[in-house]
Amino acid sequence: ETGVTQTPRHLVMGMTNKKSLKCEQHLGHNAMYWYKQSAKKPLELMFVYSLEERVENNSVPSRFSPECPNSSHLFLHLHTLQPEDSALYLCASSQDGWPSGSHNEQFFGPGTRLTVL
Amino acid sequence: EDQVTQSPEALRLQEGESSSLNCSYTVSGLRGLFWYRQDPGKGPEFLFTLYSAGEEKEKERLKATLTKKESFLHITAPKPEDSATYLCAVQASGANNLFFGTGTRLTVIP
Repeated sequence: ETGVTQTPRHLVMGMTNKKSLKCEQHLGHNAMYWYKQSAKKPLELMFVYSLEERVENNSVPSRFSPECPNSSHLFLHLHTLQPEDSALYLCASSQDGWPSGSHNEQFFGPGTRLTVL
Repeated sequence: EDQVTQSPEALRLQEGESSSLNCSYTVSGLRGLFWYRQDPGKGPEFLFTLYSAGEEKEKERLKATLTKKESFLHITAPKPEDSATYLCAVQASGANNLFFGTGTRLTVIP
């Protein structure tokens, strides 16, 4: 595997389900990110982890719970979601941790298309 | 407040018809401006980083330029495989997160 991988690629869940999204980066990077992408809207930053420590929580509802067990893996735990949470969830990584230096380009995974019924 | 505006929202070009995409930004000191390409159902693919006004970068048929207020992504003699959504993002000085625009959806017709 190379780059940033995400599983599953597609997920359909009911409002009472609990599920988790997984992200793995094979780039040796120090920072990892979760973004939400909805139609016609800019990418929304949700969470940032730098060297396995959460450094940013962008006012995300508590029904989204991130976990970063090590610098290569990032999870997003989902519970009691709402239909408006349906979107493409993207994971990214960057070489620099936060605060970032000169290597702050972010590299994205393919995303998980989430549908909440 | 930091802001990124991309135009046009959508662009249809004939194969070989060169054009430019615009990214206007308002930021309290620019640390970096980033261009990404996104194909349907996929994550954004990194293209360029620009750091200061006057800087230019090229990759195949794409050329990115930067001024103090905007960036252009010039596409020379596009091919159908250049069809994608092109995203622009800025990082402000002293900040770590990126602000993204809504993108320009480019369609190149054979």
